[in-house]
Amino acid sequence: GNSVTQMEGPVTLSEEAFLTINCTYTATGYPSLFWYVQYPGEGLQLLLKATKADDKGSNKGFEATYRKETTSFHLEKGSVQVSDSAVYFCAFRFMDTGRRALTFGSGTRLQVQP
Amino acid sequence: SQTIHQWPATLVQPVGSPLSLECTVEGTSNPNLYWYRQAAGRGLQLLFYSVGIGQISSEVPQNLSASRPQDRQFILSSKKLLLSDSGFYLCAISIGLAGNTGELFFGEGSRLTVL
Repeated sequence: GNSVTQMEGPVTLSEEAFLTINCTYTATGYPSLFWYVQYPGEGLQLLLKATKADDKGSNKGFEATYRKETTSFHLEKGSVQVSDSAVYFCAFRFMDTGRRALTFGSGTRLQVQP
Repeated sequence: SQTIHQWPATLVQPVGSPLSLECTVEGTSNPNLYWYRQAAGRGLQLLFYSVGIGQISSEVPQNLSASRPQDRQFILSSKKLLLSDSGFYLCAISIGLAGNTGELFFGEGSRLTVL
């Protein structure tokens, strides 16, 4: 069946370090892909997205490229800040006309230390 | 732009008591509506979704139910809570096909602790 696999956390980095959070998916066809961020005690906010192969989503210094060959959508940031500490969720969905729900990974907690 | 309101924000309930969590939406019409649950240290699990008034689909068998009495109102209920119902409940919407790029928009969540 369809599923999303994320690297397990927590990921602990020092400020200004390079970040990679791996995400791969298993699905038939070509879904749209998303990264969401959840700050403590809050709901989820869309961070970036990509709707077709080779698309690169970017926002707030974060980037992710839709890799059809490897069915991956890894999240990267060149220099993390303490304010980036949060839980990051990878998700996908198909552009169908019915359910339109997202399937989420288990989340990766990022802790950035000053 | 759309706004999603959830309440209560925090709730502590004894086992066996009833539950009602409410979600209301502003700024859009005819959205798809969703209830997700996030258990401690785990990812998001889709519980229910609705494509229209009175239309509810359940994703997993459980102790909870959902209703959509109005276009922009979505309610999550239980007659008797279990300890395993504890978690962070998130309401989300998906807007219509025109201009839809696929993402969901989330409310701020309701944290339920069952004791």
